[in-house]
Amino acid sequence: DAKTTQPPSMDCAEGRAANLPCNHSTISGNEYVYWYRQIHSQGPQYIIHGLKNNETNEMASLIITEDRKSSTLILPHATLRDTAVYYCIVIHNFGNEKLTFGTGTRLTIIP
Amino acid sequence: EPEVTQTPSHQVTQMGQEVILRCVPISNHLYFYWYRQILGQKVEFLVSFYNNEISEKSEIFDDQFSVERPDGSNFTLKIRSTKLEDSAMYFCASSEWDRLMNTEAFFGQGTRLTVV
Repeated sequence: DAKTTQPPSMDCAEGRAANLPCNHSTISGNEYVYWYRQIHSQGPQYIIHGLKNNETNEMASLIITEDRKSSTLILPHATLRDTAVYYCIVIHNFGNEKLTFGTGTRLTIIP
Repeated sequence: EPEVTQTPSHQVTQMGQEVILRCVPISNHLYFYWYRQILGQKVEFLVSFYNNEISEKSEIFDDQFSVERPDGSNFTLKIRSTKLEDSAMYFCASSEWDRLMNTEAFFGQGTRLTVV
């Protein structure tokens, strides 16, 4: 699986958009970009995933560069409950593929 | 919203004792996983399970560990003889692989295992 690189920590003001970057320069053509988050030692929570097109759901937007070597997760209006560790993971999206968690980005939403 | 449930939420056991961690995956899911997270460290994959057999296991998942789906709804992780270093949060997860290739994993809230 392709390796990902994320900044260790970021701050964002409450109500502003939080933009979390991820580099995955070795991603292969059939690998997807997944984002999960973990709020204070709870179980990881799925956020969004994409292959090459930008994606949006009720939680977030995912912007993937044209060369697919990097992506940005956008939380459009961050709240205090979005304070968490965010993980960018690249996988082939087969049915039983394991997730390899890195250290992620610790996002702190500031009131 | 369907969810993965794990019991107990916290288990304290003496070193050398056997423990069984229990999970009820989401009912229509076919793929099941155990992960663990030692305090302050990364979430680590232990094992994946599909069609009543192990699909993949990590090097952490040695002979002391076993998994079972005893009755079609529960998914258990057994540690035969616990060691101090088994103290961690253990997360169960499940997923499905639908025609849209959506395979997001749903995680339970975890069981905190403390070995004393």
